[in-house]
Parts: sequence; structure tokens; C-alpha cells
Amino acid sequence: DAGITQSPRHKVTETGTPVTLRCHQTENHRYMYWYRQDPGHGLRLIHYSYGVKDTDKGEVSDGYSVSRSKTEDFLLTLESATSSQTSVYFCAIKGTGGGNEQFFGPGTRLTVL
Amino acid sequence: DAKTTQPPSMDCAEGRAANLPCNHSTISGNEYVYWYRQIHSQGPQYIIHGLKNNETNEMASLIITEDRKSSTLILPHATLRDTAVYYCIVSPTGKLIFGQGTTLQVKP
Repeated sequence: DAGITQSPRHKVTETGTPVTLRCHQTENHRYMYWYRQDPGHGLRLIHYSYGVKDTDKGEVSDGYSVSRSKTEDFLLTLESATSSQTSVYFCAIKGTGGGNEQFFGPGTRLTVL
Repeated sequence: DAKTTQPPSMDCAEGRAANLPCNHSTISGNEYVYWYRQIHSQGPQYIIHGLKNNETNEMASLIITEDRKSSTLILPHATLRDTAVYYCIVSPTGKLIFGQGTTLQVKP
């Protein structure tokens, strides 16, 4: 257990509304990641952060923004949600073992109607 | 990042060893082999990783061939709780790219 929580765990929203998902970690890890998982696509990286205020895009970043104003929180924002953003979103942190082992949160299931 | 090839599904009897293969013939010298698994509806779980040498931890063993073009994840005594999708990923310590993985079904 890497001390990662995600909130909310489930959300239903309407097209065009803004949505913010929160990832919180308690162990001061530098690297944090946001993935989405859809049937037939596996997990795909949206954005990642390598420190406070330091973020970069992943392979599917269009329509998403992120912020990291403090080490423990990494926020994912959908400025104007679309039905194509219906997905399960996972946050992850990079461990301290020297490689790229990542530890994942429990996920947020988002439905955009 | 190198691509990996895994069988889409495998079965294993409970209590027996599960051997999950992965081909990564285009692997580069600085790329590690990572294994994760995902139990239904949960976040992926890190299992093990290695560069050249075989590795073992409390969950599994990782056998990497001498030419590094393939590897095998071994769960020594599979239980029903090991039923999951297993992902083999090759990465030079950058981003992880998840493919479709192998669905392992452990049967009683």
C-alpha cells in the first residue's frame, strides 16, 4: 500500500461540465501519473508530474489539464467533459526502488452523459 | 520503447506453477522488463522488474533469457486470487506503456 487515495471514486456528470479528480499520496513521492483505462485500449498515460508545478503530457492529454501545487496532491481536470472521456481513471506514484516501478490508486469511475 | 508480445490467455491449476511468457525481441540495452497485474476492477499492481539477471521476490520470479529477447514470469504456487491480467512492459525507466496483457485464469 503506497498510501494513494483517489476522490471521488465514482462520478456521473453531464457533457460540458467541468470535472476535477484528485489523487492524494502520503509518502512524499516526487513522480505522480494519471492514466485512463478503456476496454480494448489498456491503460494510457494522460499526464504526469515530476515535482511541484512540474508536469508534462502523456499520450492522450487532449482535453485534460493537471495541476500540482503541493507534493501530496495531483489534480486532473476535464475543463468541459465529453462522452469520450467516460473511463476509469487511475493515479500512480513512482516508487523509490531505482527503477520505474509504479504503484496505483484504486481508480475513479467517471461517466459523462 | 520496445514492444512486447504476450499470449492473450492462459489457464493454470491451483497450486501449480504459472509460467507467463513475454517476447520483447527489440529490447534495448538500457530497457528494463516490468511485470504488473490487474485484478478485476482494481488498480494495476507492481510485481517485479529486471534488467539482465533473474529476479525473485515474495510474489514471483522473473527469468530473462541471456539475449534479453524474452522473459518468463513465474508464480510458483498459483492460487485463485492470482487470477488477473498480467502485463509485461519494457521501459528504459520512463513512462510505462501497457498492452493487452495475458489473462491468467487459475482453476480449482
